[in-house]
Amino acid sequence: GAVVSQHPSWVICKSGTSVKIECRSLDFQATTMFWYRQFPKQSLMLMATSNEGSKATYEQGVEKDKFLINHASLTLSTLTVTSAHPEDSSFYICSARVFAEAFFGQGTRLTVV
Amino acid sequence: QKEVEQDPGPLSVPEGAIVSLNCTYSNSAFQYFMWYRQYSRKGPELLMYTYSSGNKEDGRFTAQVDKSSKYISLFIRDSQPSDSATYLCAMIWVNDYKLSFGAGTTVTVRA
Repeated sequence: GAVVSQHPSWVICKSGTSVKIECRSLDFQATTMFWYRQFPKQSLMLMATSNEGSKATYEQGVEKDKFLINHASLTLSTLTVTSAHPEDSSFYICSARVFAEAFFGQGTRLTVV
Repeated sequence: QKEVEQDPGPLSVPEGAIVSLNCTYSNSAFQYFMWYRQYSRKGPELLMYTYSSGNKEDGRFTAQVDKSSKYISLFIRDSQPSDSATYLCAMIWVNDYKLSFGAGTTVTVRA
């Protein structure tokens, strides 16, 4: 299957700082990527859809000014958590589709202290 | 009512047993069905992908889809401790861009 690489796999940051998470499709081009958030023992919650060359589409309740998404190329999407707070601590996962199949990155565990 | 219902378990079985997982859904527009395995603190890994009713086998895994009943299943034969993980069902229809996930079932295979 297709490979989606996410980096970093874990990060600890201080409250008030910003963190950038990268998501790359390694062996295919992805015009659309998806960003999810997952709380412990819960399923994935879609945060936003990242579209190459255009603005991201955010799900209801997700602050677009806090979670900045940039999809600068067909193989790279980034999620920046701005002015992070402890409540932003979570597991963030990106995904890309090849037709109907969705492939996921390894996930990034963010801890804000 | 959620679009996709999945019993979160947990499910504990002895090594070698058959693991049976299932999901029901309400949106008859769903066309593609997937099963993912997720280990703790890792991203989901695609296990099986089907689009038609019937069975699909891949090694020890069998995915079953019954569109008339809006019911999908995943069977794991000869389960191993390494199969201990959370299993998520997901489904999509081509005209939509979103995956709809089940809650995930946590499975433990005891040695």
